[in-house]
Amino acid sequence: KQEVTQIPAALSVPEGENLVLNCSFTDSAIYNLQWFRQDPGKGLTSLLLIQSSQREQTSGRLNASLDKSSGRSTLYIAASQPGDSATYLCAVTHNTDKLIFGTGTRLQVFP
Amino acid sequence: KAGVTQTPRYLIKTRGQQVTLSCSPISGHRSVSWYQQTPGQGLQFLFEYFSETQRNKGNFPGRFSGRQFSNSRSEMNVSTLELGDSALYLCASTRGSGYTGELFFGEGSRLTVL
Repeated sequence: KQEVTQIPAALSVPEGENLVLNCSFTDSAIYNLQWFRQDPGKGLTSLLLIQSSQREQTSGRLNASLDKSSGRSTLYIAASQPGDSATYLCAVTHNTDKLIFGTGTRLQVFP
Repeated sequence: KAGVTQTPRYLIKTRGQQVTLSCSPISGHRSVSWYQQTPGQGLQFLFEYFSETQRNKGNFPGRFSGRQFSNSRSEMNVSTLELGDSALYLCASTRGSGYTGELFFGEGSRLTVL
């Protein structure tokens, strides 16, 4: 059974710091991995999608890497800003063709 | 380009009632999937529809059902509501089938069962 875990569960940092969010999954048979952002009471916004054949994806200040063999992905946020405060979720598409979400990391960036 | 639209955004029901939630995907997207989000269980997959056919179903009781129309709009229904059904229900759409492409989510329908 595929399980997705995110560490840390919560993170509070001052503005300007570079930070890394971690996502681990137990079964390496995935199609892809996506990172999402969720603001309180809102839906999810897709940040980055990494196909299983790719190693990383970049968008602006965000960089996500994928290591299928070790069952890990990291989301790197450069020069964090208060507007980055949100919950970050990773999700893997398992070979059963279902999307399985991680537990989320709640990020707070203070001025 | 309009995003994924979910209606209603908020609703309150009592135990035993039923509820229908609606999801309009992005134009051109043929796959719609539904998720339940609660503080205790996180985000859990409910079901996925593609071209009016249910392709996948999560581990939820039969009280949870859905359907997709020829215009790709989807509805989900929950019958005989229980207190534990209180949650944020999210739908997402993607162009192809399954999850090979990027998923786009709606704002969700927040259901409170009293």
